[in-house]
Amino acid sequence: DAGITQSPRHKVTETGTPVTLRCHQTENHRYMYWYRQDPGHGLRLIHYSYGVKDTDKGEVSDGYSVSRSKTEDFLLTLESATSSQTSVYFCAIRGQGEGSGYTFGSGTRLTVV
Amino acid sequence: AQSVTQLDSHVSVSEGTPVLLRCNYSSSYSPSLFWYVQHPNKGLQLLLKYTSAATLVKGINGFEAEFKKSETSFHLTKPSAHMSDAAEYFCVVSDKGGSYIPTFGRGTSLIVHP
Repeated sequence: DAGITQSPRHKVTETGTPVTLRCHQTENHRYMYWYRQDPGHGLRLIHYSYGVKDTDKGEVSDGYSVSRSKTEDFLLTLESATSSQTSVYFCAIRGQGEGSGYTFGSGTRLTVV
Repeated sequence: AQSVTQLDSHVSVSEGTPVLLRCNYSSSYSPSLFWYVQHPNKGLQLLLKYTSAATLVKGINGFEAEFKKSETSFHLTKPSAHMSDAAEYFCVVSDKGGSYIPTFGRGTSLIVHP
């Protein structure tokens, strides 16, 4: 999607290894979000950010950490990957102003073996 | 806390017949409501949004939704389904009480038969 990119698009990793996913935006938006998508659960919030160095936990934050040192980048780290973290991860940004919509990246498909 | 319930996990229709995907929400504030569509192995695309203006909202590809505060509903409709409409649809709510963090329903899979 225009203005937001995720990398990598696909990754296979081994149990116990650390993994970092990157979300990059060119819109200079303040709010950024990380979600995971699993069948039957919709999208569930992992962490979100409301500015540089300002982050907070979502409903499924255990085993994940985030960092935002620049407006344009929001990193999601799986500190020690487990098979339960096999999922599709989406990053989103929120437009300016109340009632603004959300733009999503194309997703990262992560498989932990 | 804000929440959203999509009443059907799967909806099956024939091509050319109307589509109805149901969504109920809970919010203590004036909510913003959205419908997103996700085609297989793709990202999420905004279909339409309600942000306290007109209660009948028109979106892309012939979809529309009506905000009904008395029923706390935001159902998605389309007069005539196309094969290309087969996808997963998500109803999303955000409000001031939830810091405008979007909360997703579990999704409705729309199946379109020839």
